[in-house]
Amino acid sequence: DIQMTQSPSSVSASVGDRVTITCRASQGISSWLAWYQQKPGKAPKLLIYAASSLQSGVPSRFSGSGSGTDFTLTISSLQPEDFATYYCQQANSFPRTFGGGTKVEIK
Amino acid sequence: QVQLVQSGAEVKKPGASVKVSCKVSGYTLTELSMHWVRQAPGKGLEWMGGFDPEDGETIYAQKFQGRVTMTEDTSTDTAYMELSSLRSEDTAVYYCATMSGTDAFDIWGQGTMVTVSS
Repeated sequence: DIQMTQSPSSVSASVGDRVTITCRASQGISSWLAWYQQKPGKAPKLLIYAASSLQSGVPSRFSGSGSGTDFTLTISSLQPEDFATYYCQQANSFPRTFGGGTKVEIK
Repeated sequence: QVQLVQSGAEVKKPGASVKVSCKVSGYTLTELSMHWVRQAPGKGLEWMGGFDPEDGETIYAQKFQGRVTMTEDTSTDTAYMELSSLRSEDTAVYYCATMSGTDAFDIWGQGTMVTVSS
C-alpha cells in the first residue's frame, strides 16, 4: 500500500497568512493526488484533483503543486472560513490512502 | 447535480452487523463509481472499498476483506455497505462518495454515525 505522510499535523495562522501544507507519498504516484477540506461534523470537500486542478467552485486562493512523491497545498491568503482540517489522498492505485490530516487553527 | 443521502445513525452491539444505505439523486447509480470511507472519532479518513471502473469490479481494503459487502440496487439508485462482526473499533462515521473521472472523491454523502457498544 502507498503511505501518505502530511506535515505539519497542525498549523496556527492568522487571517491573511499564506499557508503551505506538504504531502509525501511512499512511492511515485505521478500527479494522482487530491486534496480535501473537512470542517467539524461535515463531510470532506474536494478542493484539488490531479495534484493541481482546482475543483469547480473552489476559490482561487487554493492551489496545489507537485508530482512524483512530493506535493503541496497552498492557501495564498487565509480566510476565516478556511480554518479546517486538510487531507491529501493518492489516486494512483488501490487501496486508496489518505494522509493523516493537517489542522489549520486560528492563531 | 449528484446528491448522496445516507441512512440515519445506528447503535449496534459487538458481533452484530450494520447496513448503511446511500441514495443517489441527480444521476443513476450505474453512471457512478461508488466508494465508502470511514472516520473514527477524532481520527483521519480510511478508504474501505468501492467500484473500480477499470476492472468493473468492487474491491475492498484488505483490512475489511471478509467482513464488508458493498452492493447496489439500480432499481432505486441506492448503494449499500454492510459490515459484519462489529467491534468497538468500528465506531465511526461512514461516508459514501463518488469517484469522478479524475479518480478523486468529488461528491460525498452526509455521513452515518455507527456506534458499537455493549
